[in-house]
Amino acid sequence: QKEVEQNSGPLSVPEGAIASLNCTYSDRVSQSFFWYRQYSGKSPELIMSIYSNGDKEDGRFTAQLNKASQYVSLLIRDSQPSDSATYLCAVPYNFNKFYFGSGTKLNVKP
Amino acid sequence: SAVISQKPSRDICQRGTSLTIQCQVDSQVTMMFWYRQQPGQSLTLIATANQGSEATYESGFVIDKFPISRPNLTFSTLTVSNMSPEDSSIYLCSVVVDIGYNEQFFGPGTRLTVL
Repeated sequence: QKEVEQNSGPLSVPEGAIASLNCTYSDRVSQSFFWYRQYSGKSPELIMSIYSNGDKEDGRFTAQLNKASQYVSLLIRDSQPSDSATYLCAVPYNFNKFYFGSGTKLNVKP
Repeated sequence: SAVISQKPSRDICQRGTSLTIQCQVDSQVTMMFWYRQQPGQSLTLIATANQGSEATYESGFVIDKFPISRPNLTFSTLTVSNMSPEDSSIYLCSVVVDIGYNEQFFGPGTRLTVL
């Protein structure tokens, strides 16, 4: 079992729709969770961090965390073609080392 | 966050040679890491660069192949030694600025091709 699992996609959504990206993790003691966006040929960019159960909103992005189910998700509202990228879920282990998921490729169609 | 630069941005190298990659941060940071991202894959942690002491390597990575230096709190180097085509990857450094939040920020990466 992988430490962090994501659907590799591609996930295709029309412009203006909500994109839902999901991530499950195996380490029950993890306390913080991160979403990165990676455009093709670029390095990962941190877009959301979440530390407690529930929802955290930042502009068009909402991160949702359910520690009991070991599940974290990222919602992108009003998706734009510029959101087309690979989204990586990251979960720390040993405090500051990260496991990265394999990433979900998102395509937003104009 | 922090401004992170890496040199070189890309290189093409011959089998059996070595390449040293530099990572420079615009402020002092507590933690620095080196990752590898093979084509079409996610990120794999190579090692934690420790200031003033030997790096801490992850399973599958050894010091002889990937020697790392971190002489101060703003700079680190990763050397890829005795390269083979399997070493063709993007190499990324990352930093943790505030250890309380544990957020990692990545440099722009070094794209290495080994012929």
